[in-house]
Amino acid sequence: DGGITQSPKYLFRKEGQNVTLSCEQNLNHDAMYWYRQDPGQGLRLIYYSQIVNDFQKGDIAEGYSVSREKKESFPLTVTSAQKNPTAFYLCASSLWDLRRPQHFGDGTRLSIL
Amino acid sequence: KQEVTQIPAALSVPEGENLVLNCSFTDSAIYNLQWFRQDPGKGLTSLLLIQSSQREQTSGRLNASLDKSSGRSTLYIAASQPGDSATYLCAVTDFSSGSARQLTFGSGTQLTVLP
Repeated sequence: DGGITQSPKYLFRKEGQNVTLSCEQNLNHDAMYWYRQDPGQGLRLIYYSQIVNDFQKGDIAEGYSVSREKKESFPLTVTSAQKNPTAFYLCASSLWDLRRPQHFGDGTRLSIL
Repeated sequence: KQEVTQIPAALSVPEGENLVLNCSFTDSAIYNLQWFRQDPGKGLTSLLLIQSSQREQTSGRLNASLDKSSGRSTLYIAASQPGDSATYLCAVTDFSSGSARQLTFGSGTQLTVLP
């Protein structure tokens, strides 16, 4: 079945540590996105990528970094510069066609130790 | 900057009732509007996508309408079932950020359908 796989489901970060969240899709989608969701709030865009080797900052990119070396993969690194990283992180992908919806993975919950 | 509001934040209804969820947005220059469902601890499932040129979309017991000029959308759920219990999010695609693909989300309505 085609879909988006996020791993791990739960992740814990120590102070001063960088952690990387994985996102893989087999939908042959051009575009991929990372969102952050805080309790009782909607999703906010961190980074997005339209094509391989290209990505753009979203509304809350500070303290995060991404790479897009393969069409299928869009990992997100939460750096030590992100002072409030505890949240639910969602990865999405889509065709670069405004008539088509974004498809989401099941998320990674990041907590601070 | 686009803002999306969903009221109420939470709603409880008895099984079998028809219900309406509301979504409003501040900038009517949108390309489309999507309704999503989110189960606890899970990702989002796309329910309906309405293009700005459309007035409504239907899928099974769900009907979404769009009134772009007034900045409003509604999601109508007919004959609600306990399995419909989830958080429902609406999101708009607009051009305010310079990216034609950025979604702006509301904070959602948490729906509980009581057996």
